[in-house]
Amino acid sequence: DADVTQTPRNRITKTGKRIMLECSQTKGHDRMYWYRQDPGLGLRLIYYSFDVKDINKGEISDGYSVSRQAQAKFSLSLESAIPNQTALYFCATRRNTGELFFGEGSRLTVL
Amino acid sequence: AQSVAQPEDQVNVAEGNPLTVKCTYSVSGNPYLFWYVQYPNRGLQFLLKYITGDNLVKGSYGFEAEFNKSQTSFHLKKPSALVSDSALYFCAVRAYNTDKLIFGTGTRLQVFP
Repeated sequence: DADVTQTPRNRITKTGKRIMLECSQTKGHDRMYWYRQDPGLGLRLIYYSFDVKDINKGEISDGYSVSRQAQAKFSLSLESAIPNQTALYFCATRRNTGELFFGEGSRLTVL
Repeated sequence: AQSVAQPEDQVNVAEGNPLTVKCTYSVSGNPYLFWYVQYPNRGLQFLLKYITGDNLVKGSYGFEAEFNKSQTSFHLKKPSALVSDSALYFCAVRAYNTDKLIFGTGTRLQVFP
């Protein structure tokens, strides 16, 4: 089983719909992250969390919200999806020594 | 503000030849530097990191990187490329006093037989 699991892996939705991307981890790490990947832009940080009571905005948090339901779970929501949120989304956890461990990604298409 | 530049969108190299993927960074204070690799339809995988100490860092799959403070660079290298090294490579930097890891735009490495 994967250490960092993202669901769904692929999702097609329409403009204005609410979407939730879920992430769960079995690595026992406190720090969790959401990034989006766009061709030519690399990965950009959306939100990150130190623990269930500590949520922080990243570079591009507008239009997104997150929830840290437990140490192992960190979900990303798009309240009203728009086409320019079409991207590949990655969840990651961070070991105390600094390395990130990524999920397999969630490909979101907003029509 | 932290930033990372990967000046080459793509690097082409013949199998068996040495490879270099370039990375320069900008950060206040001491940097924590990382390289990650992404294979098609997969998440990123950690390759190596520089935190402190020896400027030459060795990592997974025979890769190494050299930290150069005066040139603010952290180039990824491998003495002999393999076709299976073909992938997308990302450099990333974090300032010692933050938790934000900032990624570069990525360099696609193509190793030809």
